[in-house]
Amino acid sequence: GEKVEQHESTLSVREGDSAVINCTYTDTASSYFPWYKQEAGKSLHFVIDIRSNVDRKQSQRLIVLLDKKAKRFSLHITATQPEDSAIYFCAASMLSGSFNKLTFGAGTRLAVCP
Amino acid sequence: DTTVKQNPRYKLARVGKPVNLICSQTMNHDTMYWYQKKPNQAPKLLLFYYDKILNREADTFEKFQSSRPNNSFCSLYIGSAGLEYSAMYLCASSRDPGTGDAETLYFGSGTRLTVL
Repeated sequence: GEKVEQHESTLSVREGDSAVINCTYTDTASSYFPWYKQEAGKSLHFVIDIRSNVDRKQSQRLIVLLDKKAKRFSLHITATQPEDSAIYFCAASMLSGSFNKLTFGAGTRLAVCP
Repeated sequence: DTTVKQNPRYKLARVGKPVNLICSQTMNHDTMYWYQKKPNQAPKLLLFYYDKILNREADTFEKFQSSRPNNSFCSLYIGSAGLEYSAMYLCASSRDPGTGDAETLYFGSGTRLTVL
């Protein structure tokens, strides 16, 4: 089955700098790559995704890049702010029509320091 | 309201005893999922219900059971808890396929199970 590896377990950046979190996956059939954020004491929530028919997607300060050849995708957070501090999980799935079986990475704890 | 509720927030169980965890959502989502999360590990999918059909992952098939008496509720049942079941259990749901945002999973806050 699919395996997703998240390369950075922790990441610390200065406020205003960019943060990059990298993930790799194993199953070439995967076509959907979302990112989830978990703030302290809260549940995971969706932040951004990318599908295999594109290689870049941006939503405000979040950019996701996908390299299908290398089976690698990454989350870039530009102009980081203290509220970006959280655990970020990458995931992959082969979308079916009825459900979405996500395989997650182990998470990256991002600290944005003032 | 995009809330998935899980009860209880913390649960203590004895080795060999059964455990039942509860999840509910009022979004009329067709699919509900259960994930197991251990410290420094990825959330691991245990099983999911699409409508009334239960799908269990191959490597956890015999360890976990579930029921979904109606669209809003889903339980996770462990028949005989072992120490290795100590973890955070996360419930999630997703919309009907074919609707907007159908791929997004909405997560509850989790139930932290400690087996002693």
